[in-house]
Amino acid sequence: DIQLTQSPSTLSASVGDTVTITCRASQSTSTWLAWYQQKPGKPPRLLMYATSNLEGGVPSRFSGRGSGTEYTLTITSLQPDDFATYYCHDYSTHARSTFGQGTKLDIK
Amino acid sequence: EGQLLDSGGDLVQPGGSLRLSCAASGFTFSNYAMSWIRQAPEKGPEWVSLISGSGYTTYYAESVKGRFTISRDNSKNTLYLLMNSLKVEDTAIYYCAKEQFAANVGDSFDMWGRGTRVTVSS
Repeated sequence: DIQLTQSPSTLSASVGDTVTITCRASQSTSTWLAWYQQKPGKPPRLLMYATSNLEGGVPSRFSGRGSGTEYTLTITSLQPDDFATYYCHDYSTHARSTFGQGTKLDIK
Repeated sequence: EGQLLDSGGDLVQPGGSLRLSCAASGFTFSNYAMSWIRQAPEKGPEWVSLISGSGYTTYYAESVKGRFTISRDNSKNTLYLLMNSLKVEDTAIYYCAKEQFAANVGDSFDMWGRGTRVTVSS
């Protein structure tokens, strides 16, 4: 099974900053990788699918890229609403899903 | 706008059983594969099980295979998860989730229920 490791586990930043979260896979995957945002007491919210496709309604300050074993989510010009936990999700294996352990983005 | 309402979570003793339900609305339920995904406290999500839109094909994580059964009733727009032989490590919030694209099996999840809490403890 593919394992996903996110880094960093915690990230402190300020409003207006640009941050990048990395998701590394234990083996090379296709680009079937998604990113989710989760706030306390809420379910995850889809931000990005197939590595770099923005889900409808998600601000364009979110962007994704990557290939092989390394994928990134970048948030430019951080807004107060962006402080949350972010998860990557690999769905390249047929009918199997694996999630990363999460990156908590908090206010510096 | 579509919605998923999951329910059925409870406190249950180890070895016990529980059935979760997920009522869907606002989209053509039978066109989409559905999954159950759980999240233990302070942990990342863990995929549990998937069922195709027709209900004919099912998949399970190794951690629940042989104990959990996923099913759906497309006439009632409802997804189910029957959980038997529950273990302490099954304690989590359980979410139902809809796959993003119709007719796919194995996809990103664009709609999630609010979650239902399952606690396995003596």
